[in-house]
Amino acid sequence: DAGVIQSPRHEVTEMGQEVTLRCKPISGHNSLFWYRQTMMRGLELLIYFNNNVPIDDSGMPEDRFSAKMPNASFSTLKIQPSEPRDSAVYFCASSLATSQTLSGGTQYFGPGTRLTVL
Amino acid sequence: SQELEQSPQSLIVQEGKNLTINCTSSKTLYGLYWYKQKYGEGLIFLMMLQKGGEEKSHEKITAKLDEKKQQSSLHITASQPSHAGIYLCGATRQLTFGSGTQLTVLP
Repeated sequence: DAGVIQSPRHEVTEMGQEVTLRCKPISGHNSLFWYRQTMMRGLELLIYFNNNVPIDDSGMPEDRFSAKMPNASFSTLKIQPSEPRDSAVYFCASSLATSQTLSGGTQYFGPGTRLTVL
Repeated sequence: SQELEQSPQSLIVQEGKNLTINCTSSKTLYGLYWYKQKYGEGLIFLMMLQKGGEEKSHEKITAKLDEKKQQSSLHITASQPSHAGIYLCGATRQLTFGSGTQLTVLP
């Protein structure tokens, strides 16, 4: 298996522009997670899906952030408009969760997208 | 919300030495992950602990969850330069992570 695939690996954009990050989870996994990592705040959960349905989006910073999972093999995280404080590494992870713990199971992380907003 | 505190924040050891990293939770843990991260890369799963008193080992790395399920320790025996990186603990249900421990192993 190729593991979790994220694209792009690096993104540099200007303030105010729309940014779309993409993720392909491991085939067969039913949960998908988006995280953001910064030096100041560490690793933070933004949102996670189970069976393509958003379960917890309490970590999404504000309305400028949105995430979708149209099918089991693809998810996007969109920032519109982007701001310099959004600069971070964004990770996607997937897992095979049971019905008892939708957030459970070993999470496999992608390589991340390093976003720089100028 | 559940907070995880890791100690020490950074650690420099000579190759061959043993070391321990601690992770303390503000609330009872349902389960705990340990991950390793190299700078600029994704997280690599090490192990997951779910039961009080549980201990797991992988090669020279051993992790234990205390009986009260509020503290975990990760122990590396005979450290090697390949062990260098950032070690993160994470709560499995709340999906919060500690701030990480930066480990440097000097050859």
